[in-house]
Amino acid sequence: GQQLNQSPQSMFIQEGEDVSMNCTSSSIFNTWLWYKQDPGEGPVLLIALYKAGELTSNGRLTAQFGITRKDSFLNISASIPSDVGIYFCAGYNNNDMRFGAGTRLTVKP
Amino acid sequence: EAQVTQNPRYLITVTGKKLTVTCSQNMNHEYMSWYRQDPGLGLRQIYYSMNVEVTDKGDVPEGYKVSRKEKRNFPLILESPSPNQTSLYFCASSLTGGLNTEAFFGQGTRLTVV
Repeated sequence: GQQLNQSPQSMFIQEGEDVSMNCTSSSIFNTWLWYKQDPGEGPVLLIALYKAGELTSNGRLTAQFGITRKDSFLNISASIPSDVGIYFCAGYNNNDMRFGAGTRLTVKP
Repeated sequence: EAQVTQNPRYLITVTGKKLTVTCSQNMNHEYMSWYRQDPGLGLRQIYYSMNVEVTDKGDVPEGYKVSRKEKRNFPLILESPSPNQTSLYFCASSLTGGLNTEAFFGQGTRLTVV
């Protein structure tokens, strides 16, 4: 099936730094989604992108739907300790949602 | 409160002993699905259901069964669990399977098969 390549696998950053992670695919998706998973919890939707080229913000988070519809990135500005967790990208087509392997973010105070 | 509820949260079982993980949602969502999460592999879809009595295989359906007799419930059944099914399982639901829809996830079930 379609594979999503998410990078980096993990990040260790200092509080206050900006973070960037991305997802690429060999196939086109109609929707790109970014989820965050806190320890012991299920993923929670952060941002949803529905149109190629779309740039959407949610507080300190900004995500973009690539023009080719085969990629997306998520930026977190001015990171804080509660940003710690695993971030997943997901591509969606016709009842089929694919997830990346996740980016594990650690924020040092 | 809108939620997806999975039970149990943790389960240790032996190879071959049939088990069921329940999933229930109170949002009247049509679409429900099961995922397993393994290190380095992200979330992989096991089965999904677009509505009552309609189920279909995801990426990794082998060794699993599901049923959707009512809209709110979507149990995951392991008829004969094996150690390679040790994983973290998530149930999710959304209003429809189409565009512009958010999937709500349960809190997860950590299964260990020995």
